[in-house]
Amino acid sequence: AQTVTQSQPEMSVQEAETVTLSCTYDTSESNYYLFWYKQPPSRQMILVIRQEAYKQQNATENRFSVNFQKAAKSFSLKISDSQLGDTAMYFCAFMDSNYQLIWGAGTKLIIKP
Amino acid sequence: SQTIHQWPATLVQPVGSPLSLECTVEGTSNPNLYWYRQAAGRGLQLLFYSVGIGQISSEVPQNLSASRPQDRQFILSSKKLLLSDSGFYLCAWSTGPRPYTFGSGTRLTVV
Repeated sequence: AQTVTQSQPEMSVQEAETVTLSCTYDTSESNYYLFWYKQPPSRQMILVIRQEAYKQQNATENRFSVNFQKAAKSFSLKISDSQLGDTAMYFCAFMDSNYQLIWGAGTKLIIKP
Repeated sequence: SQTIHQWPATLVQPVGSPLSLECTVEGTSNPNLYWYRQAAGRGLQLLFYSVGIGQISSEVPQNLSASRPQDRQFILSSKKLLLSDSGFYLCAWSTGPRPYTFGSGTRLTVV
């Protein structure tokens, strides 16, 4: 069975710093999708970034980028120039061949002023 | 464009009372629909998902049930609420490998 592991329950950085959230997964599939979602205090789930496993190029969305290491089954999220509004729970998710999402336990990120 | 509506936003119900949470999607056809529950500060637990009208898959045996009476309508129900049913409930939709899109959630408190 596929699993997703986020090893950092909580992280805290100063505003404007760069922070990296880690995510590893386990699967025997070769074609799949990976996602990072953000859940701010409002609890709305917001898509941050998406990566297709068949693409070698790492996905980027403005200040958010991923380091996708397929062989290592690692999918970390880098947030550059962090802002107070980045404070949220961040969830890593793996989409299997049935289009079901398997979720990590989440990392609580606090951006300090 | 596609939108998802979930209501109510907040609900306080006594133990033993019935529950009905509704989720509707606009702007797409035959979406996959999902109900999740989330405890405070925790991850998402998949409760039910549906790939079509009348087709419901349950992931966790519990006091809840789900129905999909129309293509873009997904309802979460209970005949008698328990204290343990308290939590934050999220509805989501997707098609194929597209990212899930979530509703704004319902905060349910059973008292």
